[in-house]
Amino acid sequence: DTEVTQTPKHLVMGMTNKKSLKCEQHMGHRAMYWYKQKAKKPPELMFVYSYEKLSINESVPSRFSPECPNSSLLNLHLHALQPEDSALYLCASSQVKGGWTGEAFFGQGTRLTVV
Amino acid sequence: GEDVEQSLFLSVREGDSSVINCTYTDSSSTYLYWYKQEPGAGLQLLTYIFSNMDMKQDQRLTVLLNKKDKHLSLRIADTQTGDSAIYFCAESGPNTDKLIFGTGTRLQVFP
Repeated sequence: DTEVTQTPKHLVMGMTNKKSLKCEQHMGHRAMYWYKQKAKKPPELMFVYSYEKLSINESVPSRFSPECPNSSLLNLHLHALQPEDSALYLCASSQVKGGWTGEAFFGQGTRLTVV
Repeated sequence: GEDVEQSLFLSVREGDSSVINCTYTDSSSTYLYWYKQEPGAGLQLLTYIFSNMDMKQDQRLTVLLNKKDKHLSLRIADTQTGDSAIYFCAESGPNTDKLIFGTGTRLQVFP
């Protein structure tokens, strides 16, 4: 099983809404990631969790709040977003093997539209 | 900072070979990857190579690495219409959780 599952697949939210994106993997991976991808652009790293602790925050605005409640789950809480935050949000996970995090497996993404 | 560049577009005839190129600037890059992304979908890991290797072959895919020139390529043999997608190279260094993606190459396969 090399699957990373993201829900929902599509989300439309208003600028005053609060919503959450969810990501789940059962591969025993201990590193999990959130990426943001705008149309025709490469994915940009937002956050990394390693062993359920936040290890990298790429200066993401506080209206995005990640959470890793256990080793299989990763959430991204959204509040007071702007239309320019509309994008494909990708979750990924990888093993941690010594100094190498291992190849990252990606979910299918959540297509977010902020209106 | 790190920079990973790819040509934007490649068009090939079905059955021909495709070669997608990638250049990177970070000399400490240790691991290099190729991902495929179909429209509206997530990223699918195709293959990866360690920086101490020159070549890796996996069925129709051949990865070549020139570490001196910081150049990575992906060759797809007998390209099929199902190979049409955007291909991203990515690199990471030692002791880091961070993947840096290239700009992506759109591969179009025509009959």
